[in-house]
Amino acid sequence: EDKVVQSPLSLVVHEGDTVTLNCSYEVTNFRSLLWYKQEKKAPTFLFMLTSSGIEKKSGRLSSILDKKELFSILNITATQTGDSAIYLCAVEALGNEKLTFGTGTRLTIIP
Amino acid sequence: GAGVSQSPSNKVTEKGKDVELRCDPISGHTALYWYRQSLGQGLEFLIYFQGNSAPDKSGLPSDRFSAERTGGSVSTLTIQRTQQEDSAVYLCASSFYRDTQYFGPGTRLTVL
Repeated sequence: EDKVVQSPLSLVVHEGDTVTLNCSYEVTNFRSLLWYKQEKKAPTFLFMLTSSGIEKKSGRLSSILDKKELFSILNITATQTGDSAIYLCAVEALGNEKLTFGTGTRLTIIP
Repeated sequence: GAGVSQSPSNKVTEKGKDVELRCDPISGHTALYWYRQSLGQGLEFLIYFQGNSAPDKSGLPSDRFSAERTGGSVSTLTIQRTQQEDSAVYLCASSFYRDTQYFGPGTRLTVL
């Protein structure tokens, strides 16, 4: 059974700090790993990672995948209060369209 | 264009009643997914539709849950004889074939 574990479960930092969120996974026939940001209810797509060692970057957010060690990290630099959310990691397997999600990391940014 | 929409945004019902949750996917998207998010839990896959193919129902927790997708577009998730453990946020997502899934705002279901 596919499995995704995220750490930490929750994180509280001050505005301007840099944070690193972790996601480890076990999946048969890995296809991709995705990061979503969830504020209120709707998860919004951040990144899709399929290849090891290639950093995806969007503004202050970046993510990288290690397919040998089966993990990914999501970095957020110069955090702002608007970054407060639950960050979800999910994996997709070949031939299986459903996403398997971790329980998420709840990030709180204190002004 | 418009994103995925879901209705109602909130639903409170009594134990034993049936409920219907609606999802309108992004226009042109071929695939539609239902997930459930219980308090403190990650998103749990329920059911997946892709075009005219038979749906993947492997995530439905019991036979009280069913879903249909009419005309390859709008989908309805039905929960019969609701139980308190059905209380959760029900999220719908759509994608163009196997591309990125985009989520709707969800329906928060509370079973009293």
